Amino acid sequence: QSVLTQPPSVSAAPGQKVTISCSGSSSNIGNNYVSWYQQLPGTAPKLLIYENNKRPSGIPDRFSGSKSGTSATLGITGLQTGDEADYYCGTWDSSLSAWVFGGGTNLTVL
Amino acid sequence: QVQLVQSGAEVKKPGSSVKVSCKASGGTFSSYAISWVRQAPGQGLEWMGGIIPFFGTANYAQKFQGRVTITADESTSTAYMELSSLRSEDTAVYYCATLRSVWFDPWGQGTLVTVSS
Repeated sequence: QSVLTQPPSVSAAPGQKVTISCSGSSSNIGNNYVSWYQQLPGTAPKLLIYENNKRPSGIPDRFSGSKSGTSATLGITGLQTGDEADYYCGTWDSSLSAWVFGGGTNLTVL
Repeated sequence: QVQLVQSGAEVKKPGSSVKVSCKASGGTFSSYAISWVRQAPGQGLEWMGGIIPFFGTANYAQKFQGRVTITADESTSTAYMELSSLRSEDTAVYYCATLRSVWFDPWGQGTLVTVSS
């Protein structure tokens, strides 16, 4: 059971928009930065978003992040088949003194 | 740009130990924080612990306390993760990753550890 809660799966058509939620508590998301990772099949996770809403160089602006209270959201616009992957949120948990992740959300582009 | 290259796949017997390496290139190794994250088959990411080579002190997730040891060798820019008393539930891909402030980037390519009798 993951500390952060994500929907197991989401789907949308090519060109459409999708959002992935990540729910936590005051000991993690509520008081710490959130990052997001994309894991393509058979590969290592890759940083998509850091410090809630910042994109590393090379990440297209189709990807966006936001945070409100104890929840965070990843948004992806202009969906492409190449976006099909698992997406994870992560943050520090002050109560556990540990880095924690969501259970992951599998994105299908229909 | 930092790159992390991990050692190859391992097959271990229950009760034994495994030691996975993570060699860094680019940047200043001793100033990084290196973490280890594992992913069981079909499961999510689980942080195990990390180390800042400059200080040499590691911290561990409570779940793995007493069973995992994370070390770093500055002379070879290599971090290590040793997990003991292996059981079948430890079968997973183990990743090292650079912890930059409050995010992980980059990640190593992963090392599959299979625990089987």
